[in-house]
Formats: sequence, structure tokens, C-alpha cells
Amino acid sequence: AQKITQTQPGMFVQEKEAVTLDCTYDTSDQSYGLFWYKQPSSGEMIFLIYQGSYDEQNATEGRYSLNFQKARKSANLVISASQLGDSAMYFCAMREGKYSGTSYGKLTFGQGTILTVHP
Amino acid sequence: DVKVTQSSRYLVKRTGEKVFLECVQDMDHENMFWYRQDPGLGLRLIYFSYDVKMKEKGDIPEGYSVSREKKERFSLILESASTNQTSMYLCASSLLGDLTDTQYFGPGTRLTVL
Repeated sequence: AQKITQTQPGMFVQEKEAVTLDCTYDTSDQSYGLFWYKQPSSGEMIFLIYQGSYDEQNATEGRYSLNFQKARKSANLVISASQLGDSAMYFCAMREGKYSGTSYGKLTFGQGTILTVHP
Repeated sequence: DVKVTQSSRYLVKRTGEKVFLECVQDMDHENMFWYRQDPGLGLRLIYFSYDVKMKEKGDIPEGYSVSREKKERFSLILESASTNQTSMYLCASSLLGDLTDTQYFGPGTRLTVL
């Protein structure tokens, strides 16, 4: 079963508007972390925002915020005031709390959502 | 700033060739990772390393091996390249490996196997 699901292959938004990118996850762990990355056409993955499963507040980083709904197992990324430079692929990822060898569990990524910002 | 570099942005190889993909990080990170990225599948972990000379298999290690002789360098080796290994390969590094640990990525190598 998919651990991370991004159901929107592509999204379009008008410049200056807000957009929400969906992410649902599946884990039986109580302790886990959720990440969002941006991948522009250049290819490099850029870390945007992190949310821990025990964090009571939704994470925010500038124009990025994470709408964390633990009971629904969703961690949607909200981008406010979209800019043309926000056009990119966006990935949601999860790290579960159990150990693997001598380090915590690996990152599991969703399939990604391509965001296009129109002028 | 964390800097992760990969030896090539684009690479074309022939079936059966031995292929080396090199990754170097300059932030003294303990952990390093190799992923492949394919459309509709996201990123999938091939191998990771949490210390020099230490490695662990990821989700799709078949057909790949790795080497970490120095802390800053992590190499991915395709012993005998096949066309189904045509993909984008991304290297990443992270400091601690704890729950909050952020992975920092290189620019990627787009490998084509003919």
C-alpha cells in the first residue's frame, strides 16, 4: 500500500492566488515527520517545510504553511500569494519513527504534483 | 549553505557498461543517500550510508552497489547497466538521521542507457 499519496498529478493557479497541494499518508507509528520538497525544472530538490507528528501547531515558513490534520492523516501544503517562480514539482515525504540499523527510518516520497503558476 | 554535488548532470551509457555516479557533500554529514526518480513513482531509495564503509539497502537495491570510502563521498555503481536503469539519480545527505533530520539534495544525474 502507498505510504504517501499525492492525488493531484497537476495543479494550475493564477499568480498572487493561494493554492493547496494535497498529501495523505499511512503509518501505524505515533512518532513520524512530514516534509515537503520543491523540485524546479533544474532538478535539484529544495526543502520547504517540516511537520512533526507531535507538533501542536501547523508549521509555517514564509509563504508556505502545512495544514496538518492528524486524524485524517493529511499534510497539505498551502502556498499563499503564488509567484511565477513557484512553478515546479512538489513532493510530500514521510519519515517514520522506527530505527533501521543505526539511523531512523528512511524518507518515503509521494508521486509528486506539478504546479503551474499562470501570470 | 549545504552543498551536495554530483559528478555529471547528463550521462549516456551502453547496455552492459559499468557506470559510476559520484556524489560529494561538503558539510560533514554522517548520512548519504541515493535515490532514483521516475515519472509517476516519485523518489525511491536505492541505498544509504550512515557512516564511512557502512551501507544499507533501500527499497530497490537490485542491480546497484555503493561505496563510501570517505565521509564526504558516496558512489553509486551500476555493475552492468541495463535500459531499465535509465532514470534520474539523486544524491542526498543529512547530518543526524533523527526524526527531524532534513535531507539536502544534489542537482541530479540524468542517466540514459542505450
